[in-house]
Amino acid sequence: GESVGLHLPTLSVQEGDNSIINCAYSNSASDYFIWYKQESGKGPQFIIDIRSNMDKRQGQRVTVLLNKTVKHLSLQIAATQPGDSAVYFCAEKTSYDKVIFGPGTSLSVIP
Amino acid sequence: KAGVTQTPRYLIKTRGQQVTLSCSPISGHRSVSWYQQTPGQGLQFLFEYFSETQRNKGNFPGRFSGRQFSNSRSEMNVSTLELGDSALYLCASTNPTTDTQYFGPGTRLTVL
Repeated sequence: GESVGLHLPTLSVQEGDNSIINCAYSNSASDYFIWYKQESGKGPQFIIDIRSNMDKRQGQRVTVLLNKTVKHLSLQIAATQPGDSAVYFCAEKTSYDKVIFGPGTSLSVIP
Repeated sequence: KAGVTQTPRYLIKTRGQQVTLSCSPISGHRSVSWYQQTPGQGLQFLFEYFSETQRNKGNFPGRFSGRQFSNSRSEMNVSTLELGDSALYLCASTNPTTDTQYFGPGTRLTVL
């Protein structure tokens, strides 16, 4: 099958701190990037997206940064809460709706 | 607006059997994609359907197939099940305006 990576990085943060989750994408031609959150037993949930003509986009408590020069994407979560504990996936979209997912990062929030 | 729904949520099958999974996209979404998720391989793209036509296909054997109906509902079929087919199968529909994919809760398939 087609996928990116096998190992799941983990990140532990104290409740109330800011979290930064990083992702390297593979295709310089990708023009749309998405962050998803997946909680145990559920499907991935859309968090925020960004197009390649932007380098920053903000949502509610979340910010996505895109650096096309080094093909890097990051998700910043402000004032992390226990409910933010989940696996976070970055995804890049190429042509015809084919989406490629990163390996995911497990975020654990310490109360 | 109702989200993406998938049925059944859980399935247990034995090797050699076949299985059909169903996905109903969000109303107005015509593109439906299927993914396989396993702990070892992560999220892997299976195929994508748009207007009843397969538009993209991942690197899976021919035992994995799908189809889409005129109402955009989609099914995927796995024939001659193998132990390695045990996984969470996720369906996603795409918002035609924003290109954002929205996922269903998945079908957990266990092959014994």
